[in-house]
Amino acid sequence: KAGVTQTPRYLIKTRGQQVTLSCSPISGHRSVSWYQQTPGQGLQFLFEYFSETQRNKGNFPGRFSGRQFSNSRSEMNVSTLELGDSALYLCASSLTHRTISPYEQYFGPGTRLTVT
Amino acid sequence: AQSVAQPEDQVNVAEGNPLTVKCTYSVSGNPYLFWYVQYPNRGLQFLLKYITGDNLVKGSYGFEAEFNKSQTSFHLKKPSALVSDSALYFCAVRDGSAGNKLTFGGGTRVLVKP
Repeated sequence: KAGVTQTPRYLIKTRGQQVTLSCSPISGHRSVSWYQQTPGQGLQFLFEYFSETQRNKGNFPGRFSGRQFSNSRSEMNVSTLELGDSALYLCASSLTHRTISPYEQYFGPGTRLTVT
Repeated sequence: AQSVAQPEDQVNVAEGNPLTVKCTYSVSGNPYLFWYVQYPNRGLQFLLKYITGDNLVKGSYGFEAEFNKSQTSFHLKKPSALVSDSALYFCAVRDGSAGNKLTFGGGTRVLVKP
């Protein structure tokens, strides 16, 4: 079974631009979460989508947004890029959104975003 | 709010020796605990999880973790470390009300020397 795929793997943008990152979950997985990884802040949760609905949101400004499609693929968008948005963006998929006895999440390789 | 602490930034161990990576957590409800490993330029790989039941959880690649409720700890262990275990290890917690949101510790770099 194919793993979580993320495109593109690397991206260079300039301040003020916007960017869209894509994530395809493992086949059959319906929950997709996004995380930002930086040397200074570590791994931080951005948001989770399940059944095309945002279920959870982390403490990020409104410039960060996402969506999920009917085939469970997800995209995240960052508008008006800032230098501090340079990070590895990781997508994780899980079978479902469940509050008890959670399933584990499987991570993709990430998209390395550099903002200049 | 939930939190995770990994008190050691780096752990050095000789190949063949036991490996322990420490993790303590804080959650308001029942803790769901996870360990992940990250190799350079890669995403996170799932190692094991504690949901309920036995306090000793066995996972992938010979790793295991011991859940201790009184000490709010979930230390990762491997009886005999391999050079290939050198990587960045993350402990994470999810509380029962947060969907799939994981809160991660800062990570511990493991260096296994031949």
